[in-house]
Amino acid sequence: QKEVEQDPGPLSVPEGAIVSLNCTYSNSAFQYFMWYRQYSRKGPELLMYTYSSGNKEDGRFTAQVDKSSKYISLFIRDSQPSDSATYLCAQMNTGFQKLVFGTGTRLLVSP
Amino acid sequence: EAQVTQNPRYLITVTGKKLTVTCSQNMNHEYMSWYRQDPGLGLRQIYYSMNVEVTDKGDVPEGYKVSRKEKRNFPLILESPSPNQTSLYFCASSFEVNSYNEQFFGPGTRLTVL
Repeated sequence: QKEVEQDPGPLSVPEGAIVSLNCTYSNSAFQYFMWYRQYSRKGPELLMYTYSSGNKEDGRFTAQVDKSSKYISLFIRDSQPSDSATYLCAQMNTGFQKLVFGTGTRLLVSP
Repeated sequence: EAQVTQNPRYLITVTGKKLTVTCSQNMNHEYMSWYRQDPGLGLRQIYYSMNVEVTDKGDVPEGYKVSRKEKRNFPLILESPSPNQTSLYFCASSFEVNSYNEQFFGPGTRLTVL
């Protein structure tokens, strides 16, 4: 079983839609949860991170962590074509030495 | 501009021909790491370094070597590349490793081993 599971997509939505991206993880020791965005031919860039359970909002983006069910989500409101990218969930191990990534979900937002 | 740079960006080589992929950061970061990204497998850590002269294996270190002689540079060495090392490689760095710090990624190096 992979430590982090993520649906690879692609997920296609029209502009303006609300997008929900999800990951599940198996290691209950994870405390830091990240969402990275990766455009084609680019390196991943950090979108948001949360510590432990709860919600965090940044503009059109909301990250949600439910440690009891080992489930993390990223919601994108009013999605834009510029949001078209691969979204990677990641968790950091307790020693902070590495990020454990999901395989990424490819999102396509059509005008 | 604060950044992580990698060279080359694209490389096609043949089995057994030693190669080095360079990584450099200008942010005075202590921590640096190499990942490879493969379809269906995501990003997996190859090696990491917590400071100069301190390196350790990640999840997939076989066939790779690294060195950290200077704080800013962290080259990835493939002594005898094989086709199963065809992949997209990313270098990353962060300020320190004793607490959570954002990891900044380079633009990637696409390697093909024939």
